[in-house]
Amino acid sequence: QQQVKQSPQSLIVQKGGISIINCAYENTAFDYFPWYQQFPGKGPALLIAIRPDVSEKKEGRFTISFNKSAKQFSLHIMDSQPGDSATYFCAASIGRYSTLTFGKGTMLLVSP
Amino acid sequence: GAVVSQHPSWVICKSGTSVKIECRSLDFQATTMFWYRQFPKQSLMLMATSNEGSKATYEQGVEKDKFLINHASLTLSTLTVTSAHPEDSSFYICSASPRVAGGGEQYFGPGTRLTVT
Repeated sequence: QQQVKQSPQSLIVQKGGISIINCAYENTAFDYFPWYQQFPGKGPALLIAIRPDVSEKKEGRFTISFNKSAKQFSLHIMDSQPGDSATYFCAASIGRYSTLTFGKGTMLLVSP
Repeated sequence: GAVVSQHPSWVICKSGTSVKIECRSLDFQATTMFWYRQFPKQSLMLMATSNEGSKATYEQGVEKDKFLINHASLTLSTLTVTSAHPEDSSFYICSASPRVAGGGEQYFGPGTRLTVT
């Protein structure tokens, strides 16, 4: 049973555009929602994370929007750059320090 | 800070042999370490969780006798793939949580590519 559904599977965005990746979860006990960035052949790196007590969190060009009632959260990458081309995973956990449940990932390609 | 290393970064072994992968937290003590497996273009699958000095907790469907995990110190965990077969070929990634009050976020290693011929 997949507890975190991520879409789209792949995404092509022009340089300077906005990349949007969506995730939906089923388990209402989840209370920590991080996003990870992974380049080919590398381990994932934490990008940004949010807890359900806020609806939005911004760090530089990366923003998480969170909709608790809809059980959805999304990653927005503003002014997307070719260097942002990577696979992005959303995740969820019960508590900040417990095991993570990952989405299936989104391959983002930012064209020059 | 919060750097996790893995060794080796890639390894090729023959079917039937065993392979050991090391995961080290370089600048922090890790209360908990996690081992993941990732197939090409797929997500990370948690294999097991290990706490220093205690037995690892394996996820359902993961053979504990095949994937031996040892977390002997607060900076080192090892994964040994015993009697490896071609279907064990995969990208293995570890992560570690810093030893702070209440635990810490997971920091991932760079991964180890295992190819079994």
